[in-house]
Amino acid sequence: DAMVIQNPRYQVTQFGKPVTLSCSQTLNHNVMYWYQQKSSQAPKLLFHYYDKDFNNEADTPDNFQSRRPNTSFCFLDIRSPGLGDAAMYLCATSRDLGLAEHNEQFFGPGTRLTVL
Amino acid sequence: AQSVTQLDSHVSVSEGTPVLLRCNYSSSYSPSLFWYVQHPNKGLQLLLKYTSAATLVKGINGFEAEFKKSETSFHLTKPSAHMSDAAEYFCVVTLGTGFQKLVFGTGTRLLVSP
Repeated sequence: DAMVIQNPRYQVTQFGKPVTLSCSQTLNHNVMYWYQQKSSQAPKLLFHYYDKDFNNEADTPDNFQSRRPNTSFCFLDIRSPGLGDAAMYLCATSRDLGLAEHNEQFFGPGTRLTVL
Repeated sequence: AQSVTQLDSHVSVSEGTPVLLRCNYSSSYSPSLFWYVQHPNKGLQLLLKYTSAATLVKGINGFEAEFKKSETSFHLTKPSAHMSDAAEYFCVVTLGTGFQKLVFGTGTRLLVSP
């Protein structure tokens, strides 16, 4: 089945130790998104890629970076995780950017990041 | 700016009784509105969406929502709750055109008792 896959599902890192979260998709969608969802809060968009074009949200900390080496994969790099970065990180994809009838966002299961 | 307000942080119902999850939106443009569901430790799943077509929108698993412009509301309903409906529900708004940036409400946790 076509889907959005996130690995690992659970990630533990130490304060200040760089960590990379992975997302892959078999949908062949043009757009990939990364969201941060802290405990009992709504998901918050960090950035998105339209093909190779990277778009950062204005309030996304510099500590968060992303790479998209090809259509299928997108990575979230946290350069120096702080305790406040502990959260669920959700990856999503959509065929395009606009709101065409069948252009919904498909979400992966998320990676829960713990910072010790 | 676009925003949504989910009026209840928690809703408790008994199995077999109706479900009502309330959502009010604020938008300067013609909004598109969505309801997503999130089961524990799972990703978000789209339940239904309104994009300026029919105001009564039917979704998956028996859920539906009605867009009421006069009340700026987009409440989610289901006639009869199942135990499997217990989850977190997010009302989401985005602009009517252009980039599909999702703006989430704070969520409503639905509890279903036997």
